[in-house]
Amino acid sequence: GAVVSQHPSWVICKSGTSVKIECRSLDFQATTMFWYRQFPKQSLMLMATSNEGSKATYEQGVEKDKFLINHASLTLSTLTVTSAHPEDSSFYICSARVIDNEQFFGPGTRLTVL
Amino acid sequence: SQKIEQNSEALNIQEGKTATLTCNYTNYSPAYLQWYRQDPGRGPVFLLLIRENEKEKRKERLKVTFDTTLKQSLFHITASQPADSATYLCALALGGNTPLVFGKGTRLSVIA
Repeated sequence: GAVVSQHPSWVICKSGTSVKIECRSLDFQATTMFWYRQFPKQSLMLMATSNEGSKATYEQGVEKDKFLINHASLTLSTLTVTSAHPEDSSFYICSARVIDNEQFFGPGTRLTVL
Repeated sequence: SQKIEQNSEALNIQEGKTATLTCNYTNYSPAYLQWYRQDPGRGPVFLLLIRENEKEKRKERLKVTFDTTLKQSLFHITASQPADSATYLCALALGGNTPLVFGKGTRLSVIA
């Protein structure tokens, strides 16, 4: 299947700093990528839908000024957590959809805010 | 209200048996449905996709059925192995470019 990579796989940062997470589709082009957050023992929560070349669509309750999403090319989307706080600590996962609708996920990024 | 439910939060079975996981939904009309495997601390791994006009799909030891009348999908793992132990997620796709809707998952434990 198609491969989606994420970088970094884990990050620890101080409260108040910003963290950028990259999501790449390695062997296909993705016009649409999705960003999810997952807390321990819970299911995936969709944060936003990212379309190449346009603004992301955020789910209700997700602050767009806090979670900045950029989808500048067909193979790269980035999520920046601005002014991170301990409650932002979570597992962030991106995914990309291929043309026949299968959706592939990255390995996830574990964010810990101290 | 719209709901997607995976009936068992956890399922324990003996090695070699067939594991059957259930996904039910209400007030959705999915174009297709996907099943994923997720291991702790990892992103979900795509397993199978089944469309609304397909009744069954197979891949090696995996089988998925989709009954749009019952609004149910069943996911089977035959000859289960301890390595199959993981959380399995079902997800509905509503068509177009809409995001998948995920169930909460079933944690499968295959006991040797």
